[in-house]
Amino acid sequence: ETGVTQTPRHLVMGMTNKKSLKCEQHLGHNAMYWYKQSAKKPLELMFVYSLEERVENNSVPSRFSPECPNSSHLFLHLHTLQPEDSALYLCASSRSVANYGYTFGSGTRLTVV
Amino acid sequence: GESVGLHLPTLSVQEGDNSIINCAYSNSASDYFIWYKQESGKGPQFIIDIRSNMDKRQGQRVTVLLNKTVKHLSLQIAATQPGDSAVYFCAENIKDDMRFGAGTRLTVKP
Repeated sequence: ETGVTQTPRHLVMGMTNKKSLKCEQHLGHNAMYWYKQSAKKPLELMFVYSLEERVENNSVPSRFSPECPNSSHLFLHLHTLQPEDSALYLCASSRSVANYGYTFGSGTRLTVV
Repeated sequence: GESVGLHLPTLSVQEGDNSIINCAYSNSASDYFIWYKQESGKGPQFIIDIRSNMDKRQGQRVTVLLNKTVKHLSLQIAATQPGDSAVYFCAENIKDDMRFGAGTRLTVKP
C-alpha cells in the first residue's frame, strides 16, 4: 500500500448510472489529484485540489464532478458516462501543488457499457 | 506540439542484464524530471528524479541521465530482475505543469 487508497478497484457501469470513486490519503498531504490513464496514452490530469479548494480543472466534461470534503478525501462523481470514458482513474497526493513527489493510488478500473 | 515521448514502446531484456529506457522531451524550459514504474494492477510508483542543473543521479540499482543538449532522459537499471518487469514512464515539469510520457513496457526474461 502506498498510503493512497482508492475504492472500488473495479467498476462496471451503464451509461445512465451514477457512481462515485473514492480516494483517501493519510499522509498529511495538502494536494490531491485525479488522473485518467487510457491504454497507451500519457496520464491526463483531470482535477487538482489544494487544501480542499479546486485549483485546476483541465477542461473535463461535466459528467465528471469532483468533490473534496477535506484534505484526506477526494471523490469523483460519475454521471451519464460514455464508453470512451472507460479507463483507469488514478488518484494522487503530494505535500503541496508545488511538490512533485506524487504518491499514487492503485486506481479504479472503470468500464462503461 | 511539445510533449514527452519514449523511443520504444517495449523492451525485453535477459535477467541479470542492464536495461536502458529512453525518453525524449522537446521543451527546453523543463526543469525537473521523474521516472515512474507502474506494475500491473498498481498505480505509478516514484523511482528517481533529477533537476535540470544535474546530468546524472544514482539510486539503488537505477541511474538517471539527463542530456539537455539533445533533450534526452534515460533510466538505467542494473542487473535487471524479474520484479523490474513493468511499464516505465518519464514525467517533466514545465512551470508547475507535470507532463507524462506514455510509457515503455519492460519485460525481463528468466
